[in-house]
Amino acid sequence: KAGVTQTPRYLIKTRGQQVTLSCSPISGHRSVSWYQQTPGQGLQFLFEYFSETQRNKGNFPGRFSGRQFSNSRSEMNVSTLELGDSALYLCASSLDGLETQYFGPGTRLLVL
Amino acid sequence: GQQLNQSPQSMFIQEGEDVSMNCTSSSIFNTWLWYKQEPGEGPVLLIALYKAGELTSNGRLTAQFGITRKDSFLNISASIPSDVGIYFCAGPNSGYALNFGKGTSLLVTP
Repeated sequence: KAGVTQTPRYLIKTRGQQVTLSCSPISGHRSVSWYQQTPGQGLQFLFEYFSETQRNKGNFPGRFSGRQFSNSRSEMNVSTLELGDSALYLCASSLDGLETQYFGPGTRLLVL
Repeated sequence: GQQLNQSPQSMFIQEGEDVSMNCTSSSIFNTWLWYKQEPGEGPVLLIALYKAGELTSNGRLTAQFGITRKDSFLNISASIPSDVGIYFCAGPNSGYALNFGKGTSLLVTP
């Protein structure tokens, strides 16, 4: 069974731009969560989607948004990028959000 | 969210040595997860624990779910160079999110 895939793997943007990251969960998994990982803050929860509905959101500004499609694939968008948004963005999938989460390889975003 | 405290922060050991690390929380968890992350990759699940007192092994790795449900331990026996990485403990909260510890960085010298 294929794992969680994320595209692109690397991205360089400049301040003020926006970015869209994509995540394809493990087949059959309906829950997709997004996390931001930085050296200073560690792994922090962004939001979780299940059946195209956002069920929970972490403590991030509204510039961070996401959505989930009917095939459970998810996208995350960050608008008006700031230098501090440079991070590894990780997507994780699980059967229903309460089961064990499996992570993708991440998208490394660098904001210049 | 619920804070998870991992220790030690880093370990530098020789190949063949055993390793122990732990994770504590001020809150109760019903599940404890241990992940390993290598440079440039996402965390990979090593062991999942679902019951207080549970002891689970995965090869040379053994993890325990503390009786108080506020702590967990991970042991690695006979370490090898490919054990290098950052080990995270995590526990799910009620909001479908995982709370992570800051990680234990493990370096193994041949």
